[in-house]
Amino acid sequence: DTGVSQDPRHKITKRGQNVTFRCDPISEHNRLYWYRQTLGQGPEFLTYFQNEAQLEKSRLLSDRFSAERPKGSFSTLEIQRTEQGDSAMYLCASSFSTENYGYTFGSGTRLTVV
Amino acid sequence: QKEVEQNSGPLSVPEGAIASLNCTYSDRGSQSFFWYRQYSGKSPELIMFIYSNGDKEDGRFTAQLNKASQYVSLLIRDSQPSDSATYLCALNWGAQKLVFGQGTRLTINP
Repeated sequence: DTGVSQDPRHKITKRGQNVTFRCDPISEHNRLYWYRQTLGQGPEFLTYFQNEAQLEKSRLLSDRFSAERPKGSFSTLEIQRTEQGDSAMYLCASSFSTENYGYTFGSGTRLTVV
Repeated sequence: QKEVEQNSGPLSVPEGAIASLNCTYSDRGSQSFFWYRQYSGKSPELIMFIYSNGDKEDGRFTAQLNKASQYVSLLIRDSQPSDSATYLCALNWGAQKLVFGQGTRLTINP
């Protein structure tokens, strides 16, 4: 296992289309996090899972956003009816729930909505 | 109200000098503090974490924490051009989610 994997690396979509991103965490990690980062800003928390349970969602996460982690392994983040304001880097990270040594981030998915 | 504040920079430091990056936070209950480095177009990578007041050293990097003043800093000694990046401060409570500052852009000038 070489780390957190995200797919695709880049996505260009037209406004109004739906997009789905995938994240494969480090296999031993039971926590998985989604963040969004726009230019010049730090990562902004979206949601996180412990195993298959979604434990927290940001109030900033509109109803157009949904995330799943059905078997406690990989996770998907779907954005419905994309808007130009959704253009950002979407970062996935994973960690152990019993440790607090920070996260390991994936390479991210850069979304551009045109 | 932002929970983690960083000067966005850019901070320009000559090669070989000490770069000092600062971060303040608003919640006195914050327990753990992290510094991440992010190169342009890449994802953040963890440099150091610190839990206790005082200094923690790792190679050319030193993290400093002062919980009474709600202040955490990162010193980079013998700065190299490869240290040019954005440095993100983050914190959490227990093992909960990390909250990030906006980052400080650091440029090391040869």
